[in-house]
Amino acid sequence: EAQVTQNPRYLITVTGKKLTVTCSQNMNHEYMSWYRQDPGLGLRQIYYSMNVEVTDKGDVPEGYKVSRKEKRNFPLILESPSPNQTSLYFCASRGEGPGELFFGEGSRLTVL
Amino acid sequence: AQSVAQPEDQVNVAEGNPLTVKCTYSVSGNPYLFWYVQYPNRGLQFLLKYITGDNLVKGSYGFEAEFNKSQTSFHLKKPSALVSDSALYFCAVRDGWTGTYKYIFGTGTRLKVLA
Repeated sequence: EAQVTQNPRYLITVTGKKLTVTCSQNMNHEYMSWYRQDPGLGLRQIYYSMNVEVTDKGDVPEGYKVSRKEKRNFPLILESPSPNQTSLYFCASRGEGPGELFFGEGSRLTVL
Repeated sequence: AQSVAQPEDQVNVAEGNPLTVKCTYSVSGNPYLFWYVQYPNRGLQFLLKYITGDNLVKGSYGFEAEFNKSQTSFHLKKPSALVSDSALYFCAVRDGWTGTYKYIFGTGTRLKVLA
């Protein structure tokens, strides 16, 4: 089954404790990206990667890092999480052309 | 700059009645337009897209959308609403002309279909 898999789905952590949210897709897609969803703000792009060689910032990259060492994986790293990073996070991928994004099920992160 | 507006936070409609969820956009080039639906505790599911061609686009679950270039709109419609259509709907745009890989999402519209 074609899918984007995120882990963990739910996480409660404390300020400053480094964490990684993993994302993996099995569709051989070049393009992958991360979004955060907050009430009243919709989805905002954090980072995107056109392929394993190119990664760039989205609209809200502060406090986040990403890594694209292989095509299928695109982890999101929070080096020192803060409460304002409490949010619902989505990973997405896209195949060739101008088509739609395929989303993971989301990761709900709470930073205390 | 790209932008998307969904002017209604919530739309209420009776089951069996037609529904419309509004979306307007702004891009510098040709728009690629998308609608997604989000059910509770789930990811976004793709409904339909406009890339080029016929202005009326048909998608999943009986939904359709009409691309109106002069009004820069891409409203989502369904002739007869179901209670199971109740969900959060997002419009998104990507600028096809500049080749940007950025997708801009609206703030979402919550659709509530009343039995």
